[in-house]
Amino acid sequence: DAMVIQNPRYQVTQFGKPVTLSCSQTLNHNVMYWYQQKSSQAPKLLFHYYDKDFNNEADTPDNFQSRRPNTSFCFLDIRSPGLGDAAMYLCATSRDKGWEKLFFGSGTQLSVL
Amino acid sequence: TQLLEQSPQFLSIQEGENLTVYCNSSSVFSSLQWYRQEPGEGPVLLVTVVTGGEVKKLKRLTFQFGDARKDSSLHITAAQPGDTGLYLCAGSFYNYGQNFVFGPGTRLSVLP
Repeated sequence: DAMVIQNPRYQVTQFGKPVTLSCSQTLNHNVMYWYQQKSSQAPKLLFHYYDKDFNNEADTPDNFQSRRPNTSFCFLDIRSPGLGDAAMYLCATSRDKGWEKLFFGSGTQLSVL
Repeated sequence: TQLLEQSPQFLSIQEGENLTVYCNSSSVFSSLQWYRQEPGEGPVLLVTVVTGGEVKKLKRLTFQFGDARKDSSLHITAAQPGDTGLYLCAGSFYNYGQNFVFGPGTRLSVLP
């Protein structure tokens, strides 16, 4: 059974049209992460939540926001998608920070037209 | 500046061959993980190494962590088409918080 679920698997949006990607987990993990992975590149951490504490990476554009209304759900909001934001967006969880195993969802492939 | 480097970037081999891929950094890892990612899926953890010089085996996969904890290798014996995928190393660093940083990956293709 999937433990980290991302919806939708494929998302198409228009240039400048806000889009929200969702992630849910059944592991009751404290930490939830959002990664951006462009073709043939490494996953790049955008931000993470440690419980309710939001931690933004220094180079994450302001165009990207996140919400975690409860332990199970986390959302990635892209306020005004540009062509360069087309990528695979991966949600991951870990029980705690540090040397913990990351559990990844299957990702949402975002296309921007 | 990329904290982690992986080599080779691409590797295409025949079924039954052996191969080794590498991950290295100019900084000391506090720990290192190897993941495998198949197309259209999220990465799946293969192993975590923490101690310098550590060797771990997972069936036909052998993972080594360098004595200085700045490099790691993944060796696959008798590769099979099912081994095809993107192999990512992810390291945590003492001076970079507790989050893992991913390398660019090695894309392996095993031909039948």
